[in-house]
Amino acid sequence: AQSVTQLGSHVSVSEGALVLLRCNYSSSVPPYLFWYVQYPNQGLQLLLKYTSAATLVKGINGFEAEFKKSETSFHLTKPSAHMSDAAEYFCAVSDETGGGNKLTFGTGTQLKVEL
Amino acid sequence: DTAVSQTPKYLVTQMGNDKSIKCEQNLGHDTMYWYKQDSKKFLKIMFSYNNKELIINETVPNRFSPKSPDKAHLNLHINSLELGDSAVYFCASSPVLRSSGGYTFGSGTRLTVV
Repeated sequence: AQSVTQLGSHVSVSEGALVLLRCNYSSSVPPYLFWYVQYPNQGLQLLLKYTSAATLVKGINGFEAEFKKSETSFHLTKPSAHMSDAAEYFCAVSDETGGGNKLTFGTGTQLKVEL
Repeated sequence: DTAVSQTPKYLVTQMGNDKSIKCEQNLGHDTMYWYKQDSKKFLKIMFSYNNKELIINETVPNRFSPKSPDKAHLNLHINSLELGDSAVYFCASSPVLRSSGGYTFGSGTRLTVV
């Protein structure tokens, strides 16, 4: 089965600093990979996705992620953090094992942005 | 117009009760899902339906019974509620069964069993 591992359950950055949220995947086939954001008491919003086209994927709100097969990674970055970026971020992989299709999520990374 | 809507948003009930959560999507998607998010925010799939047909049933207790009257609706009925059922339940939909497009999620139903 496909899986993702998010390193760091909590990340704290200063406003204006680089945001780096780490995600490594485990997949026996070329994966579809996703980053979702969850603001407090809300649902999940798709930030960006990798579907085997360009390895550098640009998403909403200035976020981007790079698919690196050699490192089995799909880290999320943003050059300059804003207070409004404070949220929970989930990496996910599309998993088709066992029939059907499902998203398998990582355990999430809580991003805190400080003044 | 909300793309994936769930009702109710909050549900507080006593142990042993039976409750239902409703989900509707107006995106024209073929596939719908129920996910459970526990207190540590871990998200795990429970069920998926494709055009009213059950595709995934992920080792969920049989007290949980999904029903899809049509491809735009997926409801979740829970019998004999237990304290451990307290969680946030998310409905989601995707365009096709095997989708690279990602899912659209509802805003969740926070279930509290007391």
